[in-house]
Amino acid sequence: DGGITQSPKYLFRKEGQNVTLSCEQNLNHDAMYWYRQDPGQGLRLIYYSQIVNDFQKGDIAEGYSVSREKKESFPLTVTSAQKNPTAFYLCASSLDRGPRYGYTFGSGTRLTVV
Amino acid sequence: GNSVTQMEGPVTLSEEAFLTINCTYTATGYPSLFWYVQYPGEGLQLLLKATKADDKGSNKGFEATYRKETTSFHLEKGSVQVSDSAVYFCALSAGSGGGADGLTFGKGTHLIIQP
Repeated sequence: DGGITQSPKYLFRKEGQNVTLSCEQNLNHDAMYWYRQDPGQGLRLIYYSQIVNDFQKGDIAEGYSVSREKKESFPLTVTSAQKNPTAFYLCASSLDRGPRYGYTFGSGTRLTVV
Repeated sequence: GNSVTQMEGPVTLSEEAFLTINCTYTATGYPSLFWYVQYPGEGLQLLLKATKADDKGSNKGFEATYRKETTSFHLEKGSVQVSDSAVYFCALSAGSGGGADGLTFGKGTHLIIQP
Protein backbone atom coordinates (compact mmCIF):
# COMPACT_ATOMS: atom_id res chain seq x y z
CA ASP A 1 0.00 0.00 0.00
CA GLY A 2 1.14 3.53 -0.71
CA GLY A 3 1.91 5.90 2.10
CA ILE A 4 4.45 7.97 3.99
CA THR A 5 6.96 6.41 6.35
CA GLN A 6 8.65 8.45 9.04
CA SER A 7 11.52 7.06 11.04
CA PRO A 8 12.44 6.70 13.76
CA LYS A 9 9.24 6.97 15.80
CA TYR A 10 11.20 8.17 18.85
CA LEU A 11 14.52 10.00 18.78
CA PHE A 12 16.70 11.33 21.55
CA ARG A 13 19.25 14.07 21.00
CA LYS A 14 22.00 15.32 23.21
CA GLU A 15 22.71 19.01 23.49
CA GLY A 16 24.81 20.25 20.56
CA GLN A 17 24.07 17.30 18.27
CA ASN A 18 22.55 17.34 14.82
CA VAL A 19 19.94 14.69 14.13
CA THR A 20 18.16 13.72 10.92
CA LEU A 21 14.55 12.63 10.65
CA SER A 22 13.63 10.45 7.72
CA CYS A 23 10.53 10.85 5.53
CA GLU A 24 9.86 8.57 2.55
CA GLN A 25 6.75 8.37 0.36
CA ASN A 26 5.74 5.96 -2.40
CA LEU A 27 2.67 7.89 -3.50
CA ASN A 28 4.40 9.62 -6.42
CA HIS A 29 3.48 12.94 -4.84
CA ASP A 30 5.26 16.04 -6.03
CA ALA A 31 5.08 18.17 -2.89
CA MET A 32 6.35 17.34 0.60
CA TYR A 33 6.19 19.24 3.87
CA TRP A 34 7.59 19.23 7.40
CA TYR A 35 5.59 20.46 10.37
CA ARG A 36 6.39 20.84 14.03
CA GLN A 37 3.74 20.25 16.69
CA ASP A 38 4.20 21.21 20.33
CA PRO A 39 1.95 19.88 23.12
CA GLY A 40 -1.54 21.31 22.86
CA GLN A 41 -0.52 23.38 19.88
CA GLY A 42 -1.35 23.42 16.21
CA LEU A 43 0.96 22.70 13.31
CA ARG A 44 3.77 25.04 12.30
CA LEU A 45 5.36 24.74 8.88
CA ILE A 46 9.14 24.28 8.86
CA TYR A 47 10.01 23.61 5.21
CA TYR A 48 8.26 22.50 2.06
CA SER A 49 9.32 21.25 -1.35
CA GLN A 50 7.27 21.23 -4.52
CA ILE A 51 9.79 19.56 -6.83
CA VAL A 52 13.06 17.71 -6.62
CA ASN A 53 16.09 19.86 -5.81
CA ASP A 54 13.95 22.76 -4.69
CA PHE A 55 12.59 23.68 -1.26
CA GLN A 56 11.31 26.73 0.56
CA LYS A 57 11.38 27.95 4.14
CA GLY A 58 8.18 27.88 6.12
CA ASP A 59 7.30 29.88 9.20
CA ILE A 60 9.90 28.43 11.59
CA ALA A 61 12.87 27.30 9.45
CA GLU A 62 15.63 28.61 11.74
CA GLY A 63 17.73 25.79 13.15
CA TYR A 64 16.49 23.26 10.57
CA SER A 65 17.70 22.12 7.17
CA VAL A 66 16.29 19.85 4.46
CA SER A 67 17.20 18.28 1.14
CA ARG A 68 15.14 16.92 -1.76
CA GLU A 69 17.48 14.87 -3.91
CA LYS A 70 14.82 12.30 -4.78
CA LYS A 71 11.10 12.66 -5.29
CA GLU A 72 10.43 10.02 -2.66
CA SER A 73 12.55 11.43 0.12
CA PHE A 74 12.55 14.64 2.16
CA PRO A 75 14.79 14.32 5.24
CA LEU A 76 14.82 16.97 7.94
CA THR A 77 17.96 17.78 9.95
CA VAL A 78 17.54 19.42 13.33
CA THR A 79 20.77 21.29 13.92
CA SER A 80 22.40 22.39 17.14
CA ALA A 81 21.23 25.91 16.29
CA GLN A 82 17.65 24.88 17.10
CA LYS A 83 17.46 25.85 20.77
CA ASN A 84 14.23 24.10 21.66
CA PRO A 85 13.93 21.03 19.43
CA THR A 86 11.81 18.83 21.70
CA ALA A 87 8.56 18.36 19.75
CA PHE A 88 6.53 16.04 17.55
CA TYR A 89 7.54 16.28 13.89
CA LEU A 90 5.15 15.46 11.08
CA CYS A 91 5.93 14.91 7.43
CA ALA A 92 3.24 15.20 4.75
CA SER A 93 2.91 15.00 1.00
CA SER A 94 0.43 16.14 -1.61
CA LEU A 95 -0.18 15.26 -5.23
CA ASP A 96 0.22 18.83 -6.39
CA ARG A 97 1.16 22.21 -5.09
CA GLY A 98 -2.49 23.23 -4.57
CA PRO A 99 -3.13 20.91 -2.89
CA ARG A 100 -6.73 20.51 -3.91
CA TYR A 101 -7.09 17.01 -2.49
CA GLY A 102 -5.28 17.48 0.79
CA TYR A 103 -2.26 15.93 2.40
CA THR A 104 -1.22 12.46 3.38
CA PHE A 105 0.63 12.46 6.69
CA GLY A 106 3.22 10.18 8.18
CA SER A 107 2.86 8.85 11.71
CA GLY A 108 5.36 11.31 13.15
CA THR A 109 8.69 11.35 14.99
CA ARG A 110 8.88 12.44 18.60
CA LEU A 111 12.21 14.15 19.28
CA THR A 112 13.41 14.67 22.85
CA VAL A 113 16.53 16.50 23.99
CA VAL A 114 18.30 14.71 26.82
CA GLY B 1 -3.83 35.95 3.64
CA ASN B 2 -5.62 32.69 4.29
CA SER B 3 -6.66 31.75 7.79
CA VAL B 4 -8.76 29.16 9.64
CA THR B 5 -10.44 29.72 12.99
CA GLN B 6 -11.89 26.86 14.99
CA MET B 7 -13.33 26.65 18.45
CA GLU B 8 -10.87 26.16 21.26
CA GLY B 9 -11.01 23.07 23.37
CA PRO B 10 -11.10 20.88 25.14
CA VAL B 11 -14.66 20.01 24.27
CA THR B 12 -16.04 17.41 26.66
CA LEU B 13 -19.20 15.47 25.82
CA SER B 14 -20.95 12.37 27.05
CA GLU B 15 -21.22 9.32 24.83
CA GLU B 16 -24.13 9.52 22.33
CA ALA B 17 -24.26 13.32 22.50
CA PHE B 18 -24.51 15.49 19.40
CA LEU B 19 -21.24 17.08 18.31
CA THR B 20 -20.56 20.36 16.56
CA ILE B 21 -17.07 21.80 16.12
CA ASN B 22 -17.17 25.22 14.50
CA CYS B 23 -14.76 26.22 11.75
CA THR B 24 -14.70 29.48 9.80
CA TYR B 25 -12.20 30.58 7.21
CA THR B 26 -10.79 33.52 5.30
CA ALA B 27 -9.43 32.88 1.84
CA THR B 28 -9.14 34.33 -1.61
CA GLY B 29 -10.51 32.41 -4.52
CA TYR B 30 -12.33 29.12 -4.09
CA PRO B 31 -10.59 26.98 -1.50
CA SER B 32 -11.00 23.32 -0.77
CA LEU B 33 -11.86 22.57 2.86
CA PHE B 34 -10.80 19.65 5.03
CA TRP B 35 -11.20 18.09 8.44
CA TYR B 36 -8.33 16.03 9.81
CA VAL B 37 -8.29 13.90 12.96
CA GLN B 38 -5.28 13.13 15.14
CA TYR B 39 -5.32 10.31 17.68
CA PRO B 40 -2.78 10.42 20.54
CA GLY B 41 0.80 9.91 19.38
CA GLU B 42 -0.15 9.59 15.72
CA GLY B 43 -0.11 11.65 12.56
CA LEU B 44 -3.12 13.36 11.07
CA GLN B 45 -5.67 11.44 9.05
CA LEU B 46 -8.00 12.96 6.52
CA LEU B 47 -11.54 12.67 7.87
CA LEU B 48 -13.51 14.41 5.13
CA LYS B 49 -13.26 17.12 2.53
CA ALA B 50 -15.31 19.39 0.27
CA THR B 51 -13.97 21.04 -2.85
CA LYS B 52 -16.74 23.47 -3.78
CA ALA B 53 -19.56 25.47 -2.25
CA ASP B 54 -22.57 23.49 -0.93
CA ASP B 55 -20.63 20.22 -1.08
CA LYS B 56 -21.09 17.96 1.93
CA GLY B 57 -18.20 15.82 3.04
CA SER B 58 -18.97 12.76 5.14
CA ASN B 59 -17.12 9.86 6.70
CA LYS B 60 -17.56 7.58 9.73
CA GLY B 61 -20.76 9.40 10.76
CA PHE B 62 -19.13 12.83 10.61
CA GLU B 63 -20.42 15.49 8.21
CA ALA B 64 -19.47 19.02 7.20
CA THR B 65 -21.03 21.31 4.60
CA TYR B 66 -19.07 23.93 2.67
CA ARG B 67 -20.98 27.19 3.26
CA LYS B 68 -19.50 29.94 1.13
CA GLU B 69 -22.04 32.55 2.26
CA THR B 70 -20.96 32.17 5.89
CA THR B 71 -17.38 31.03 5.11
CA SER B 72 -17.86 28.04 7.38
CA PHE B 73 -17.23 24.29 7.45
CA HIS B 74 -18.61 23.08 10.77
CA LEU B 75 -18.03 19.45 11.74
CA GLU B 76 -21.03 17.50 13.08
CA LYS B 77 -21.81 14.02 14.32
CA GLY B 78 -25.13 12.84 15.59
CA SER B 79 -23.96 10.43 18.28
CA VAL B 80 -20.37 10.43 19.45
CA GLN B 81 -18.47 7.47 20.88
CA VAL B 82 -15.55 7.24 23.27
CA SER B 83 -13.40 6.21 20.31
CA ASP B 84 -14.01 9.65 18.73
CA SER B 85 -11.82 11.25 21.38
CA ALA B 86 -9.04 12.95 19.43
CA VAL B 87 -7.85 16.32 18.18
CA TYR B 88 -9.69 17.66 15.12
CA PHE B 89 -8.12 20.13 12.69
CA CYS B 90 -9.94 22.22 10.13
CA ALA B 91 -7.86 23.21 7.09
CA LEU B 92 -8.12 24.89 3.73
CA SER B 93 -6.26 24.85 0.47
CA ALA B 94 -6.35 27.89 -1.73
CA GLY B 95 -5.97 25.60 -4.74
CA SER B 96 -4.45 26.55 -8.04
CA GLY B 97 -4.87 30.22 -7.35
CA GLY B 98 -2.44 30.23 -4.49
CA GLY B 99 -1.44 28.18 -1.48
CA ALA B 100 2.16 27.74 -2.50
CA ASP B 101 2.91 26.58 1.01
CA GLY B 102 0.15 24.02 1.06
CA LEU B 103 -2.69 23.75 3.55
CA THR B 104 -3.59 26.36 6.15
CA PHE B 105 -4.60 24.71 9.44
CA GLY B 106 -6.65 25.81 12.37
CA LYS B 107 -5.15 25.30 15.82
CA GLY B 108 -7.09 22.13 16.52
CA THR B 109 -9.93 21.21 18.86
CA HIS B 110 -9.37 18.55 21.50
CA LEU B 111 -12.49 16.42 21.85
CA ILE B 112 -13.00 14.26 24.94
CA ILE B 113 -15.90 11.80 25.05
CA GLN B 114 -16.81 10.41 28.45
CA PRO B 115 -18.59 7.06 28.83
